[in-house]
Amino acid sequence: SAVISQKPSRDICQRGTSLTIQCQVDSQVTMMFWYRQQPGQSLTLIATANQGSEATYESGFVIDKFPISRPNLTFSTLTVSNMSPEDSSIYLCSAPAGEEGETQYFGPGTRLLVL
Amino acid sequence: GDSVTQMEGPVTLSEEAFLTINCTYTATGYPSLFWYVQYPGEGLQLLLKATKADDKGSNKGFEATYRKETTSFHLEKGSVQVSDSAVYFCALGGWGSNYKLTFGKGTLLTVNP
Repeated sequence: SAVISQKPSRDICQRGTSLTIQCQVDSQVTMMFWYRQQPGQSLTLIATANQGSEATYESGFVIDKFPISRPNLTFSTLTVSNMSPEDSSIYLCSAPAGEEGETQYFGPGTRLLVL
Repeated sequence: GDSVTQMEGPVTLSEEAFLTINCTYTATGYPSLFWYVQYPGEGLQLLLKATKADDKGSNKGFEATYRKETTSFHLEKGSVQVSDSAVYFCALGGWGSNYKLTFGKGTLLTVNP
């Protein structure tokens, strides 16, 4: 299994500002993922973060809005840039671990409110 | 592309009632199937999984069987408790999809004493 922590756990931000979310895994993992969960909705994958290469973004998400860093095999950051109220969501990071790496483990999430 | 269709909620049950939450999927290849649970104010926790057809995943009294013929992975529990109140997400993924997960919309379960 894997234990994943995120910082901050929650934040309230003003529109037009940026917030960087940190994700730390207690073991080395090849792939890390960032998801967004809008209020009352399911999870949507933002991007895949691999160490040593650019993040791969899903349709509808762009690097300028959600820049991602992956400096090593246990850490990643997601920045939400030039925020608007529509960015108010829970942001979760995850990583596959365990037997054959099939299981995704999730961080507790970062609850973001943009005013 | 891959998709997961999950029973619409909310679902409200009395304690000790039987629970079924339906989940069907569309996928290329042979994905692994998962149920995740999100308790109020918390992140996602893996509840159970199945990696191939006819596998049964089980945990905390919950069960789900990977049915390839009906492309289903229904979640069941024989006797729910108030502490089971949460949102339940069905998901598919695994190595065949580069470990990306596709989630259903989630089902809110409320169990009353």
